[in-house]
Amino acid sequence: EAGVTQFPSHSVIEKGQTVTLRCDPISGHDNLYWYRRVMGKEIKFLLHFVKESKQDESGMPNNRFLAERTGGTYSTLKVQPAELEDSGVYFCASSQEKGEDEQFFGPGTRLTVL
Amino acid sequence: LAKTTQPISMDSYEGQEVNITCSHNNIATNDYITWYQQFPSQGPRFIIQGYKTKVTNEVASLFIPADRKSSTLSLPRVSLSDTAVYYCLVGDRNRDDKIIFGKGTRLHILP
Repeated sequence: EAGVTQFPSHSVIEKGQTVTLRCDPISGHDNLYWYRRVMGKEIKFLLHFVKESKQDESGMPNNRFLAERTGGTYSTLKVQPAELEDSGVYFCASSQEKGEDEQFFGPGTRLTVL
Repeated sequence: LAKTTQPISMDSYEGQEVNITCSHNNIATNDYITWYQQFPSQGPRFIIQGYKTKVTNEVASLFIPADRKSSTLSLPRVSLSDTAVYYCLVGDRNRDDKIIFGKGTRLHILP
């Protein structure tokens, strides 16, 4: 069974540009989560989808970040315009049922903003 | 979400048993304790979860004392491939709590 996949694995952009990260969860998983790790700091929750609905987006840092999950399958996280402090690794995870404890994580996308 | 405190890093030799302790003094009644393992360039991976006493699976054991204010992840006979960052999380698994990982414990296994 294919795991959670993320694309791209690494993205380097200039400040002010737009970047879109993609996450494909495990097939059949209704729950999809986005996390971010900034250099040297802990991994922090960004938001949680249940199917196509945003269940909790309290971790989104500001309105430059937009997450979508049209159709309840894959999800995108767009950063527009990107700032230097947005650099870090963005992880996506999925789980089958709410309250199910094991979240399956993707390999992450490393975003570098110059 | 209960705050956790772990050692910043630990070194151990291959074949030894490694114990990593996590403090969570303000753990709530409904909170579970979950440990994750993260390799470089990968997302955290679930290792084990427990509520009290002892839990064991094919990878590790988790020891939780009666007051539940701490927990110890035990890795038997570690190998070089166990070098990773280990995160302890405490939270109510039946709530839609956001997950915030601490800095974790960087475990370095030496040959």
